[in-house]
Amino acid sequence: AQSVTQLDSQVPVFEEAPVELRCNYSSSVSVYLFWYVQYPNQGLQLLLKYLSGSTLVESINGFEAEFNKSQTSFHLRKPSVHISDTAEYFCAARAGSNYKLTFGKGTLLTVNP
Amino acid sequence: GAGVSQSPSNKVTEKGKDVELRCDPISGHTALYWYRQSLGQGLEFLIYFQGNSAPDKSGLPSDRFSAERTGGSVSTLTIQRTQQEDSAVYLCASSSYLTDTQYFGPGTRLTVL
Repeated sequence: AQSVTQLDSQVPVFEEAPVELRCNYSSSVSVYLFWYVQYPNQGLQLLLKYLSGSTLVESINGFEAEFNKSQTSFHLRKPSVHISDTAEYFCAARAGSNYKLTFGKGTLLTVNP
Repeated sequence: GAGVSQSPSNKVTEKGKDVELRCDPISGHTALYWYRQSLGQGLEFLIYFQGNSAPDKSGLPSDRFSAERTGGSVSTLTIQRTQQEDSAVYLCASSSYLTDTQYFGPGTRLTVL
């Protein structure tokens, strides 16, 4: 069965600091990977996704993630965070031939002034 | 365009009562998914629809849970004889066969007293 592991349940950082949210997956087949963000009292929003092609994918608000097949990782990074980035971030995986998403437990990113 | 909508946004019910949760997917999306988000379990897949049929119901936690989809559009998730452990946020998502991205609704927060 597929699994997704987010190693950090909480990540506190100061504004303008860099951040990395870690995600590892297990799958023996081709996999599609996603990062979703959930702002306080809001629903899940797609942040970025890897389906195929370039292993580095970017979002419109400065986040990026790199698909690393050898390390089965899809870590999310941002070089300089804002207070408005405070949210819970979920990594998710979908096997190529499957349809349902398997989510990690989530990482709460708190950006402090 | 309009996103995935869910109703009600909040539902408080008494233990033993039946509840119905509704999902309106993005127009034209053939696939529809139900997930549950709870503090202890994170985000869990419940059921998947392709058109009006449900090829995978494996995530439904018990036979008190059922779902249907009519006209390839609206879906209803029904929980019979609700229990306190059913308290959670129920999320609906939809996708088109042209993309591998699931778009989520705002969720229904169910509280069973």
